[in-house]
Amino acid sequence: AQSVTQLDSHVSVSEGTPVLLRCNYSSSYSPSLFWYVQHPNKGLQLLLKYTSAATLVKGINGFEAEFKKSETSFHLTKPSAHMSDAAEYFCVVSDRGTNAGKSTFGDGTTLTVKP
Amino acid sequence: EAGVTQSPTHLIKTRGQQATLRCSPISGHTSVYWYQQALGLGLQFLLWYDEGEERNRGNFPPRFSGRQFPNYSSELNVNALELEDSALYLCASSHGQGRLQETQYFGPGTRLLVL
Repeated sequence: AQSVTQLDSHVSVSEGTPVLLRCNYSSSYSPSLFWYVQHPNKGLQLLLKYTSAATLVKGINGFEAEFKKSETSFHLTKPSAHMSDAAEYFCVVSDRGTNAGKSTFGDGTTLTVKP
Repeated sequence: EAGVTQSPTHLIKTRGQQATLRCSPISGHTSVYWYQQALGLGLQFLLWYDEGEERNRGNFPPRFSGRQFPNYSSELNVNALELEDSALYLCASSHGQGRLQETQYFGPGTRLLVL
């Protein structure tokens, strides 16, 4: 079975300060992990993905995430928040077997960026 | 390169009616996925089609069905609509076969309202 838990439903930061969005996962196999962003009235956009190569993954717009198997975590970070980062972020797990093709989404974290 | 397209953008139906939603994948993609994003329930996997065949299905009743055409476009049908079917329905596409590392590219969605 696969599952994803996003530990914070809302995160608020000031512009220019670091961002940390937390994600824990559960998977029967070695999974692929993704972070997507959804801006209001826009589609889901891929930020980055982990596919068992490097454990530190760099994505678009300065975001990165670190896969920690021992902690079953895949937290998303950015050194300095920008106003345009305000959106909803989804952590996604995908594995194989009976879950092939089925991506499981976390409940999402809404990021607010204050000026 | 054109992205995933969905039609219609909005759909209003009454209880008991049938709804048909359409999706065109990115050119060259053979896999199409359907998700439901309902208020309070997050993004839930519905169906995965690849090469014209249904490959996997989420925990939804049989009145949710679909098909994939020879040009890889897809249709989602929802029969006997219920009020709780009101949601944003997202379609995604990928290169195919639901391989573990595949990125799914999402369309803008169809917002279905059941009255």
